[in-house]
Amino acid sequence: SSELTQDPAVSVALGQTVRITCQGDSLRSYYASWYQQKPGQAPVLVIYGKNNRPSGIPDRFSGSSSGNTASLTITGAQAEDEADYYCNSRDSSGNLVFGGGTKLTVL
Amino acid sequence: QVQLQESGPGLVKPSETLSLTCAVSGYSISSGYYWGWIRQPPGKGLEWIGSIYHSGSTYYNPSLKSRVTISVDTSKNQFSLKLSSVTAADTAVYYCARMDDSSGYPVYWGQGTLVTVSS
Repeated sequence: SSELTQDPAVSVALGQTVRITCQGDSLRSYYASWYQQKPGQAPVLVIYGKNNRPSGIPDRFSGSSSGNTASLTITGAQAEDEADYYCNSRDSSGNLVFGGGTKLTVL
Repeated sequence: QVQLQESGPGLVKPSETLSLTCAVSGYSISSGYYWGWIRQPPGKGLEWIGSIYHSGSTYYNPSLKSRVTISVDTSKNQFSLKLSSVTAADTAVYYCARMDDSSGYPVYWGQGTLVTVSS
């Protein structure tokens, strides 16, 4: 089982704001990175570090962290944002670990 | 921009060894970075398998460590994964990735290759 916990599914109305969370004790020490995965495709990095976006990622994606919880926020969700989202960080032993993933539905 | 491409058999028999190679283009492995393998069983989440530094230092998921070997061939600009004693639970899409140097998370991913374990 993953040491990073995500809600299995979240929904958001088109154009509204949604927050996807990732919980784990190791997040008090390490930043989370976030990945978007659409069906049949490889994951794509959308947020890394404190709140950094790789080139080409829209600025409606942002990241934050508080205590043992990291969050990915999509401000003004678009239809193309419908996907699975995974957080990634370290576990208590320093090994890489992924959260179980959150399926985002845009209504 | 770096590009990664996985290759290897799509079908492996139970108890045998799964072998995959990741060819890297657009960057010389010998210049730096960690390089890693991640897998995803059908319909399930992502699992880190292990990473290798360009110098050859390796780091493995403890749950797979006894069965995994990752190696690098700088002359061919590629790195490889071997997973021994496979079972049906090892059926997954296997991704190779270039990892971040300081924090180790995957940055650039290959397209993935499905490996099925079945007799």
